Amino acid sequence: AQSVTQLGSHVSVSEGALVLLRCNYSSSVPPYLFWYVQYPNQGLQLLLKYTSAATLVKGINGFEAEFKKSETSFHLTKPSAHMSDAAEYFCAVRPGYSSASKIIFGSGTRLSIRP
Amino acid sequence: DTGVSQDPRHKITKRGQNVTFRCDPISEHNRLYWYRQTLGQGPEFLTYFQNEAQLEKSRLLSDRFSAERPKGSFSTLEIQRTEQGDSAMYLCASSLIAGEGTDTQYFGPGTRLTVL
Repeated sequence: AQSVTQLGSHVSVSEGALVLLRCNYSSSVPPYLFWYVQYPNQGLQLLLKYTSAATLVKGINGFEAEFKKSETSFHLTKPSAHMSDAAEYFCAVRPGYSSASKIIFGSGTRLSIRP
Repeated sequence: DTGVSQDPRHKITKRGQNVTFRCDPISEHNRLYWYRQTLGQGPEFLTYFQNEAQLEKSRLLSDRFSAERPKGSFSTLEIQRTEQGDSAMYLCASSLIAGEGTDTQYFGPGTRLTVL
């Protein structure tokens, strides 16, 4: 079975500061891991995904995440926050084999950016 | 590539009424998924299709819920005898299975259902 825990339902950082959103996963098989972003009243947009290739994954809008198997973590970072980064962020997991289907999402972290 | 579209974007209904939502996936995507998202939570899987076959259904999908994808293109999700607990955002996603690690799900804007 797979599960995801996002630490911190709300994170607030100053514009220009480092963004760090934490995600820990549990999976009985090698996982595929994802970060999605959701802006108000919109669907989810894929930021980046890990599919067992490079452990450091670069995504859109300057975000990246590092897969650490020993820590079962997949934290999302961005060196310098922009006001436009304010949104809800979801970490997600699914089994890493092609017959798998559903994605299991965390409960989300709301990112606020202070001017 | 016009993205995943959903209709309607908002639906307000009275308890006990039936509602139907439509999802149009990205052209040529062979998998289509339905998720439900309640306020302050992440999306929860409901069901998915590969072409026209419904391959998995969540325990969340009670007998009042039915989904179809008759020609392997668009899909509909119907809720019969709606209850206030059905109020949520219903999200559709599609993907193309074309090899290991390529199943990226692209989400539509969602249909927000409010049951009064």
